[in-house]
Amino acid sequence: EAQVTQNPRYLITVTGKKLTVTCSQNMNHEYMSWYRQDPGLGLRQIYYSMNVEVTDKGDVPEGYKVSRKEKRNFPLILESPSPNQTSLYFCASSSTHRGLRFSNTEAFFGQGTRLTVV
Amino acid sequence: DAKTTQPNSMESNEEEPVHLPCNHSTISGTDYIHWYRQLPSQGPEYVIHGLTSNVNNRMASLAIAEDRKSSTLILHRATLRDAAVYYCILRPPFGNEKLTFGTGTRLTIIP
Repeated sequence: EAQVTQNPRYLITVTGKKLTVTCSQNMNHEYMSWYRQDPGLGLRQIYYSMNVEVTDKGDVPEGYKVSRKEKRNFPLILESPSPNQTSLYFCASSSTHRGLRFSNTEAFFGQGTRLTVV
Repeated sequence: DAKTTQPNSMESNEEEPVHLPCNHSTISGTDYIHWYRQLPSQGPEYVIHGLTSNVNNRMASLAIAEDRKSSTLILHRATLRDAAVYYCILRPPFGNEKLTFGTGTRLTIIP
């Protein structure tokens, strides 16, 4: 079954304690991205990656890091979490269309990770 | 980023067709029109997308105006499982080609 898997689904942590949220897809997709969803603000892109070893900032990258060492995995790293990073996080992936564009293909989203930083 | 405008909420009776409108008057000629939905406590789910022509799939139909300044997502026979927030999104074929989510339309299905 085609899917994007995030772990953990729920996490409560303390300020400053480094954490990693994992994301893995089994569809051999080139494009992966992370979003956060906050009430009243909708989903906002944090980081994205168009292929292995290629990552770039989205709209709200401050306080986050990512890596893309393998095509299937795109972990989100919070080096020193703060309470304003309490949010619902989603990972997504897409393939290219005939090797050219991601915009002409569907994106698959994970089930989400609810993070609380106290 | 080109913006979309959707009604905040809509209601529909179960087993009736639903037409969800979206205005995107500043769309560029190459933006793809995507629709996603988010059911309670779940991640967004792809519904349909298109460029110029109307599109059909097993979930819905997408009707795109001739000038591309608006589109309508059509659910042919709503069920209770279709209750969700529906997002109309323009995805450009350049830059990071991201999906920019707005506030969407919250669809309520009345049994």
